[in-house]
Amino acid sequence: GAVVSQHPSRVICKSGTSVKIECRSLDFQATTMFWYRQFPKQSLMLMATSNEGSKATYEQGVEKDKFLINHASLTLSTLTVTSAHPEDSSFYICSAREGDRGSSYNSPLHFGNGTRLTVT
Amino acid sequence: AQSVTQPDIHITVSEGASLELRCNYSYGATPYLFWYVQSPGQGLQLLLKYFSGDTLVQGIKGFEAEFKRSQSSFNLRKPSVHWSDAAEYFCAVASYNQGGKLIFGQGTELSVKP
Repeated sequence: GAVVSQHPSRVICKSGTSVKIECRSLDFQATTMFWYRQFPKQSLMLMATSNEGSKATYEQGVEKDKFLINHASLTLSTLTVTSAHPEDSSFYICSAREGDRGSSYNSPLHFGNGTRLTVT
Repeated sequence: AQSVTQPDIHITVSEGASLELRCNYSYGATPYLFWYVQSPGQGLQLLLKYFSGDTLVQGIKGFEAEFKRSQSSFNLRKPSVHWSDAAEYFCAVASYNQGGKLIFGQGTELSVKP
């Protein structure tokens, strides 16, 4: 079945540094990917929708200059947490939707296994 | 705007007992609904989904869910719970457009007693 690979699975970084998280669709093309953030014992909060070849659409309250999203190819989206601070520590999960641009709710959606970010 | 509410934060059931996890949604039109399961530190696995048609949908691992428009609900059920079912369960609704982004409920943590 379709697989989404998210890397790294865990990362620890120092405050003030930047961290890049990759989300790859391994056997399908994904024009749309989503980035979620999950705090312990809480739900997944959508951060942004990433569209291949165009700018990401950020949800209200998400700082686009802090959470840089790039979706340069049909199989790769990256989330860069810039100038990370301890409050950015969280579990970040990506998901990728199969299909062409304009695919919607009824196209298969696949989740990565998440990245645990700890900022010290 | 669409939203999803899972009223129960934590539920404990005995192994072999039946299970029902509640989910209520708010959406302006016919909703497209999902149930996902998450093990600790892992991503999400799709249990089942409802787009249209039969309001009782069958999923993996013996789960089923029933869409009730009159109650704006999409409750998840399993007749006999196994210890391996202990996990976090999320109900979600998808938008028609915007790439079909999912909005998740708060989640229900399921514990299973031996």
